[in-house]
Amino acid sequence: GESVGLHLPTLSVQEGDNSIINCAYSNSASDYFIWYKQESGKGPQFIIDIRSNMDKRQGQRVTVLLNKTVKHLSLQIAATQPGDSAVYFCAENTGSSNTGKLIFGQGTTLQVKP
Amino acid sequence: EAGVAQSPRYKIIEKRQSVAFWCNPISGHATLYWYQQILGQGPKLLIQFQNNGVVDDSQLPKDRFSAERLKGVDSTLKIQPAKLEDSAVYLCASSLDQVGKVYFGPGTRLTVL
Repeated sequence: GESVGLHLPTLSVQEGDNSIINCAYSNSASDYFIWYKQESGKGPQFIIDIRSNMDKRQGQRVTVLLNKTVKHLSLQIAATQPGDSAVYFCAENTGSSNTGKLIFGQGTTLQVKP
Repeated sequence: EAGVAQSPRYKIIEKRQSVAFWCNPISGHATLYWYQQILGQGPKLLIQFQNNGVVDDSQLPKDRFSAERLKGVDSTLKIQPAKLEDSAVYLCASSLDQVGKVYFGPGTRLTVL
């Protein structure tokens, strides 16, 4: 069935280091992926997205990599800061190209040590 | 740009009671979603509207949950009667269309005792 999963429930990094959060998806037909950041008591916040016709996309301090061969998605955060501490979710669009239905993974908690 | 608004932010009820949540999406967003997020899990889609029509409600427990978006703008989600397992955060989200970026509101935390 359709599922989106993350490899590690918790990731602890030192402030200033780079962080890599991984995600595996199962539906090879998915064509749109989004990374969200969720802080305690808040709704998920859009970070970056990527469509299946790309394998890399960069934003401010973040990079998303998509490997369709192994159905793997990763989020790289450069120079991780204490404000980056949150739960990170990858979401996969599993509907037809026009339905916008997102399936979320379980989330990875990023802890940034000062 | 104002974000997705939700109210109330918190609600505590006893099982078998009824509860309603309200959502106001980002202005101009045609697509509106309700998600349920149980503690420690990712959000799960309950229902998706395109303007005032339902696109997907396959995950909505229709025996107790209902939602409407009568004028294609605001939406309400109702639970009647509530069960203990309905304790969760209910997130409203919106997007410009069905293939665009999805933006979430702050959520309503429901506790059913």
